[in-house]
Amino acid sequence: AQSVTQLDSQVPVFEEAPVELRCNYSSSVSVYLFWYVQYPNQGLQLLLKYLSGSTLVKGINGFEAEFNKSQTSFHLRKPSVHISDTAEYFCAVSERGRDDKIIFGKGTRLHILP
Amino acid sequence: DSGVTQTPKHLITATGQRVTLRCSPRSGDLSVYWYQQSLDQGLQFLIQYYNGEERAKGNILERFSAQQFPDLHSELNLSSLELGDSALYFCASSSKGGNYGYTFGSGTRLTVV
Repeated sequence: AQSVTQLDSQVPVFEEAPVELRCNYSSSVSVYLFWYVQYPNQGLQLLLKYLSGSTLVKGINGFEAEFNKSQTSFHLRKPSVHISDTAEYFCAVSERGRDDKIIFGKGTRLHILP
Repeated sequence: DSGVTQTPKHLITATGQRVTLRCSPRSGDLSVYWYQQSLDQGLQFLIQYYNGEERAKGNILERFSAQQFPDLHSELNLSSLELGDSALYFCASSSKGGNYGYTFGSGTRLTVV
């Protein structure tokens, strides 16, 4: 069965600084990968997804992620964060060719410091 | 507005009681997924329905059950409630299959007292 590990539960970063949120996954088959964002008191919103093709995926709000099959990683990056990026970020995986449920990591809380 | 509607937004009930959470998927989406979000467990997949039929089951307790109706809305029934069932319950829907990502509702916050 697939699983997702988000290596940091909280990441503090200064406004306008770059950020990387780390994610590793485990699966015995090929996968689809996702990053979701949850703003306070809201549901989850899809940031970006990797289905196939280019390993560098661009999403909304200036975020991007890179799929690394050899390291089974899918880290999320943004070159310059804004206070409005304060939220919880979830990495998620779905296995190809099986039922299409998505399994989520435990989340990384991004704190933007003024 | 994501297009996925969950009602009620908040629910407070006593231990031992039974509640029903409702979800209306985005127009045209045939799949509905239920998740439980708690501080200690994170986002846990409960169950998936596709066009009225159960498709996948996750960590769903026997006290919990769900169904999807012909109009594609879904209900999650939670019975014999315990304090530990207090959580956010999310519904999500998809059209092409979850492999392309879901659209989430805003959730129902259940508090068991």
